[in-house]
Amino acid sequence: NAGVTQTPKFQVLKTGQSMTLQCAQDMNHEYMSWYRQDPGMGLRLIHYSVGAGITDQGEVPNGYNVSRSTTEDFPLRLLSAAPSQTSVYFCASSYSIGTPNTEAFFGQGTRLTVV
Amino acid sequence: AQKITQTQPGMFVQEKEAVTLDCTYDTSDPSYGLFWYKQPSSGEMIFLIYQGSYDQQNATEGRYSLNFQKARKSANLVISASQLGDSAMYFCAMREPGTGRTGGSYIPTFGRGTSLIVHP
Repeated sequence: NAGVTQTPKFQVLKTGQSMTLQCAQDMNHEYMSWYRQDPGMGLRLIHYSVGAGITDQGEVPNGYNVSRSTTEDFPLRLLSAAPSQTSVYFCASSYSIGTPNTEAFFGQGTRLTVV
Repeated sequence: AQKITQTQPGMFVQEKEAVTLDCTYDTSDPSYGLFWYKQPSSGEMIFLIYQGSYDQQNATEGRYSLNFQKARKSANLVISASQLGDSAMYFCAMREPGTGRTGGSYIPTFGRGTSLIVHP
């Protein structure tokens, strides 16, 4: 089972460049989300989706776009990279979002550096 | 205000001893879920244990137990008989009903984490 697959694992961008972080899950999960992890800040929610065509903003959405055209994929787009977006990014998915007891499955993370 | 508070940035424990990692939460909804995840130095997030707000008993999973005190809004993780492999970051998380376009969806919120180091 692949679970949640994130690509790339590492990326270096120049300020102002754009890129897309890919996330795919093969578990037919309805809920997918993106977090960023910074030292001392834990995981902060960027955007999430409760199903194809439905997305919403999390705690730190500025500078990021998402879309969910299929159940499997949930890409995160950086429109114009800034050094403040240097972070480790995690994609996570859950089978259901309608109950409180569903564990989240995480991808391996993408370490992004913006110079 | 933070939804999940982990007040211990770092903890040290001797191998084979027990350790408690603190977590307090803030919600006004009666239905919520509490989780603990482990993040070793390799970076992946590993689910450890879950406690539901309506659960009468504290959750246990092997050497992990969750000390759930609902009135105090605390959900501390207890690791018994610590092992060197327990050295990692530990995150407490809560699912509560969200707002906005996805009102009613249980969106997870994470704390800032506690770094645990187990000494031989």
